[in-house]
Amino acid sequence: GENVEQHPSTLSVQEGDSAVIKCTYSDSASNYFPWYKQELGKRPQLIIDIRSNVGEKKDQRIAVTLNKTAKHFSLHITETQPEDSAVYFCAASIADSWGKLQFGAGTQVVVTP
Amino acid sequence: SAVISQKPSRDICQRGTSLTIQCQVDSQVTMMFWYRQQPGQSLTLIATANQGSEATYESGFVIDKFPISRPNLTFSTLTVSNMSPEDSSIYLCSVARHQPGLAVYEQYFGPGTRLTVT
Repeated sequence: GENVEQHPSTLSVQEGDSAVIKCTYSDSASNYFPWYKQELGKRPQLIIDIRSNVGEKKDQRIAVTLNKTAKHFSLHITETQPEDSAVYFCAASIADSWGKLQFGAGTQVVVTP
Repeated sequence: SAVISQKPSRDICQRGTSLTIQCQVDSQVTMMFWYRQQPGQSLTLIATANQGSEATYESGFVIDKFPISRPNLTFSTLTVSNMSPEDSSIYLCSVARHQPGLAVYEQYFGPGTRLTVT
């Protein structure tokens, strides 16, 4: 089955700096890669995703990149703000799996003012 | 997205008892999923629930322990049976929404049920 590895496990950044989280996946049949943000005590929220036919996608201060050859994808957060502090999960979904996701272990991001 | 609710939001249960968690979504969806999230951990898929058929369980999870019902396209229940303290966790349901024109499904989560077993 699919295996997703996520690094780093914790990330501390100064407000205004950039944060980058990297994930690798094992199954070349994976075609959908969402990112979730989970604040303490809240549900995971889908913040951005990328399909396998796209190399990069941006939404304001966040962007995702995908390298299908190397089987890795990354989340980039620019101009970080304290409200970006949360746990971020990457995930991968295999085509024809009805949306079944395999999650990475998560990255605790702490943005200090 | 989707509006998803879960009941109860939290519960404290005694060892050996069972708890049924309900998940309701505001529109019809094909697939619903049940996850477990231990404190400080990632999400672990328990099973996939498709309306009108038996749920499909992931390795390490069995129907006798986690029976699931999916009576229609907007509702599902997960029962945690014969509970032990190791079952203390957050249980989340999610729904997969197909994106028109694309062979992918976006997944949205319910608010979760925080279960403590004493």
